[in-house]
Amino acid sequence: QSVLTQPPSVSGAPGQRVTISCTGSSSDIGAGHDVHWYQQLPGTAPKLLIYGNYYRPSGVPDRFSGSKSGTSASLTISGLQAEDEADYYCQSFDGSLSLSYAFATGTKVTVL
Amino acid sequence: QVTLKESGPVLVKPTETLTLTCSVSGFSLSDRVGVSWIRQPPGKALEWLAHIFSNDAKSHSTSLKGRLTISKDTSKSQVVLTMTNMDPVDTSTYYCARIYNGYGYGMDVWGQGTTVTVSS
Repeated sequence: QSVLTQPPSVSGAPGQRVTISCTGSSSDIGAGHDVHWYQQLPGTAPKLLIYGNYYRPSGVPDRFSGSKSGTSASLTISGLQAEDEADYYCQSFDGSLSLSYAFATGTKVTVL
Repeated sequence: QVTLKESGPVLVKPTETLTLTCSVSGFSLSDRVGVSWIRQPPGKALEWLAHIFSNDAKSHSTSLKGRLTISKDTSKSQVVLTMTNMDPVDTSTYYCARIYNGYGYGMDVWGQGTTVTVSS
């Protein structure tokens, strides 16, 4: 079964850039499956932040960007703002199990 | 406007079967979309449970060892998840979300979630 890993926490001062990694394997990210990123503000449902590795749904600020290489993906927040303090999750397909999705364990972003 | 809303019991007893309903509006379950169920124990990470697509293709989390069943009623615009043999560790907020092919099969719209407590 797919195991996607993220750092438990990252932090930065307002205006700084922070990057969250999402590490997978040859059965998920490395197999070419897309990575999606979700933002979960405290007490709310998750929100789609990045889809298809790089793309932002309408309404998502352009300070959020995604990338993918090999068996890993990353979410970068450029120009960190106080309202970005949230939990962030990457998600991909588990190619070893037909049609299964997998979430990583999530990263708490703290704005100092 | 696309919306999803979860409904079901707030409290279930251990060993009981949980039945949750996701009622959707603003799109049809016969469109090229899917609906996922995801849960989140208090203070913990998201866990994907199951999904079903418009062509009735479905998948379930293998970690839950056959406890899950997902189905849809297109005419009622509802997706139903059942989970058998509930245990206190299943206490979670349960979400349903639309899987949208226009967003690379990401989950673009989520329900508000429904909290389920398992306790005798």
